[in-house]
Amino acid sequence: KNQVEQSPQSLIILEGKNCTLQCNYTVSPFSNLRWYKQDTGRGPVSLTIMTFSENTKSNGRYTATLDADTKQSSLHITASQLSDSASYICVVSRWAGGSYIPTFGRGTSLIVHP
Amino acid sequence: GEEVAQTPKHLVRGEGQKAKLYCAPIKGHSYVFWYQQVLKNEFKFLISFQNENVFDETGMPKERFSAKCLPNSPCSLEIQATKLEDSAVYFCASSQALRSAEGYGYTFGSGTRLTVV
Repeated sequence: KNQVEQSPQSLIILEGKNCTLQCNYTVSPFSNLRWYKQDTGRGPVSLTIMTFSENTKSNGRYTATLDADTKQSSLHITASQLSDSASYICVVSRWAGGSYIPTFGRGTSLIVHP
Repeated sequence: GEEVAQTPKHLVRGEGQKAKLYCAPIKGHSYVFWYQQVLKNEFKFLISFQNENVFDETGMPKERFSAKCLPNSPCSLEIQATKLEDSAVYFCASSQALRSAEGYGYTFGSGTRLTVV
């Protein structure tokens, strides 16, 4: 069964601290993995996308890693800011039947306190 | 425009009433997708379009849900005889191409929050 599991479900950290969010998946055949940031009341915005051959991808203070062998990904946030408070969603897509089929994780809710 | 525009932002309907949601994709994007977010972060795929043609409707509840993407008009998602469990945020996303170099490149709208009372 194609599934995406994220952990932790929620996380509270102090401003300036680093944190790492986890994503494990069983989606097959794997095509790509995206991390999205969803601010409250907004639609998700793509942070990074990784394909099978990529191990690391950075976008400012966000760094995503991918281990295609163990089917795990992480999103590391460096020097957190209050504006990082949001839900972070891992989406893994497979190519099947002539189309991409994304599977969404349930997300990690991050709260950054001053 | 460069954003996916969804209207209205909020919609309240009495149980049994009709609800209609609209989505204007980014100009030049051929693919439109509708998702339902019932619980926080749990996205359920409903339907996708390639231009005005239904591409994938495997997620659509057939009885009360319908959707259209007509030329020169916003796409729409209509729910007949709404039920309490239809309360959710409905997101529309558009994509330039199904198989681009980057893969499935969605741009999401801000969503329509439907509350059925």
